Amino acid sequence: LAKTTQPISMDSYEGQEVNITCSHNNIATNDYITWYQQFPSQGPRFIIQGYKTKVTNEVASLFIPADRKSSTLSLPRVSLSDTAVYYCLPVGSNTGKLIFGQGTTLQVKP
Amino acid sequence: EADIYQTPRYLVIGTGKKITLECSQTMGHDKMYWYQQDPGMELHLIHYSYGVNSTEKGDLSSESTVSRIRTEHFPLTLESARPSHTSQYLCASSEYLPPGVQYFGPGTRLTVT
Repeated sequence: LAKTTQPISMDSYEGQEVNITCSHNNIATNDYITWYQQFPSQGPRFIIQGYKTKVTNEVASLFIPADRKSSTLSLPRVSLSDTAVYYCLPVGSNTGKLIFGQGTTLQVKP
Repeated sequence: EADIYQTPRYLVIGTGKKITLECSQTMGHDKMYWYQQDPGMELHLIHYSYGVNSTEKGDLSSESTVSRIRTEHFPLTLESARPSHTSQYLCASSEYLPPGVQYFGPGTRLTVT
């Protein structure tokens, strides 16, 4: 399984764009890159998933370069309610199993 | 919005008691999962099921057991609770596609005294 590296924590201010980068140097050919968000005392929530290039939904954008060794989650104009832990997970298309790492704790300040 | 439910939300119980944590989903998902998460720590997969009568152990060894008699129901049982079992238990479900898109319940916070 691909090992991921992402910053332990990040700080931002309301209204700013936040980019969280995840490294996954040994990602497998059939792995999708999936991001989850988790608020305190709640279960994780799926945010976005992609294979390569750019994916955008109503919550975030995901940028994946051609070599797929990293990915960047972009949150536009964050608010205080975006304070959470964000997890980057490569997921095999044939297993669907999630291996959670430490994630990135994003603190949004007023 | 996903419909996956866990009961109880909070449970404080004494050592040696048998407990069952309930998890139900109304989405008709074949795949279901149990995760364990200590405060501020990573989630670890402890059990999963790919359908009725199918259960597998996850990546983290657990003394709990699970059963999958109905598609919508995936209960987790601890025969004899110990303080080391104190944790948050999260249930999730998914379809086969897209891979890795799981819907999580609100969790059960278990405290064993």
